[in-house]
Amino acid sequence: AQKITQTQPGMFVQEKEAVTLDCTYDTSDQSYGLFWYKQPSSGEMIFLIYQGSYDEQNATEGRYSLNFQKARKSANLVISASQLGDSAMYFCAMREGMIYNQGGKLIFGQGTELSVKP
Amino acid sequence: NAGVTQTPKFRVLKTGQSMTLLCAQDMNHEYMYWYRQDPGMGLRLIHYSVGEGTTAKGEVPDGYNVSRLKKQNFLLGLESAAPSQTSVYFCASSSGTSDGTDTQYFGPGTRLTVL
Repeated sequence: AQKITQTQPGMFVQEKEAVTLDCTYDTSDQSYGLFWYKQPSSGEMIFLIYQGSYDEQNATEGRYSLNFQKARKSANLVISASQLGDSAMYFCAMREGMIYNQGGKLIFGQGTELSVKP
Repeated sequence: NAGVTQTPKFRVLKTGQSMTLLCAQDMNHEYMYWYRQDPGMGLRLIHYSVGEGTTAKGEVPDGYNVSRLKKQNFLLGLESAAPSQTSVYFCASSSGTSDGTDTQYFGPGTRLTVL
């Protein structure tokens, strides 16, 4: 069963507008972590934002925020004021359980390719 | 700090050849990981290590072996390369903090082609 689902293979957004990238997950663990990574065309994986399952507030990092809806098992990434440099592949990932007993392994979604139009 | 480095960046092998990919991190991280990324797919975990001298299997371990003889290094070996192992390989490391905020930091990747 797919544990991380990103239903948008590709998305377009106008420069300076906000965009939401969808991510839903499936786990029976009470403790888990959700991550978003950016992969530009150069290929490296860049960490953007983290949300813990017990965090009551949505995580924010600069122009990135994570819309965490635990009951719906969704962890959408919101990018405000899009810039041309935001054009990249974006991956949602989940760590099930606590790192000390499950090794901190990440499960990745298939990614969403975001294109920012000038 | 260089962070996580990978050697080599590119490699072409013939079927049946062997090779070793080297991952090094200078962040004193306990945990290290090897992932592969195939076109149109997210990263999949091959093997990982929770400390020096330890290794464990991930989601797709077949055809690969790993070793973690030193804390800062994590080696991925292909004993007999197959075309299905053509992929981009990423190494990552994390501090393994128990509060759950551990973040995996990735190396630049190694693009491997098996002919």
